Amino acid sequence: DIQMTQSPSSLSASVGDRVTITCRASQSISSYLNWYQQKPGKAPKVLIFATSSLQSGVPSRFSGSGSGTDFTLTISSLQPEDFATYYCQQSYSNPTFGPGTKVDIK
Amino acid sequence: QVQLVQSGAEVKKPGASVKVSCKASGYTFTTYGISWVRQAPGQGLEWMGWISAYNGNTNYAQNLQGRVTMTTDTSTSTAYMELRSLRSDDTAVYYCARGAIQFRPPLFNWFDPWGQGTLVTVSS
Repeated sequence: DIQMTQSPSSLSASVGDRVTITCRASQSISSYLNWYQQKPGKAPKVLIFATSSLQSGVPSRFSGSGSGTDFTLTISSLQPEDFATYYCQQSYSNPTFGPGTKVDIK
Repeated sequence: QVQLVQSGAEVKKPGASVKVSCKASGYTFTTYGISWVRQAPGQGLEWMGWISAYNGNTNYAQNLQGRVTMTTDTSTSTAYMELRSLRSDDTAVYYCARGAIQFRPPLFNWFDPWGQGTLVTVSS
């Protein structure tokens, strides 16, 4: 299985901050990397698919980049509704998820 | 709108089986695959496997082979996940999730939408 890691595991930020989350794969996954947002007690929701494609309805402050083994999710200006846990997921082989990054209020 | 609605919470004893349902609406059921993903309390997401609603083909995570069975009932647009020989570490919220691209397995795909989740508690 392809192993996924994320950093940081958690971060504290303020409304309006620029936030960057990093995801690394144990081997090259080309551009087959998706990002999900999960709020407490809710199912995950896709934000970005195929590294950089924004899911319909997702605000443009979310963006993704990378290729091969290293990927980033950026929130350009953090909003109150963005406090959540973010997971990356590779779809190059049987799906595996990163351990998550919890974004909370500073 | 596209929606997946799952069955309610379950409490099971170790060694028992559980079967969770996932009823789809808002799209042609047989044109998309369904994956199952679980999340232990306070933990991350684990993909369990996938079933094609078109032809019933399955692909299970290696660590669950032999304990999990995924099926579909196309007459009711419902997917099922059965897990046998339950252990305490199977306690988790179980989600169904549709593949975003028609007819494609989870490879080169993503999950959208997700069901609301079903809590399965395994306790003596």
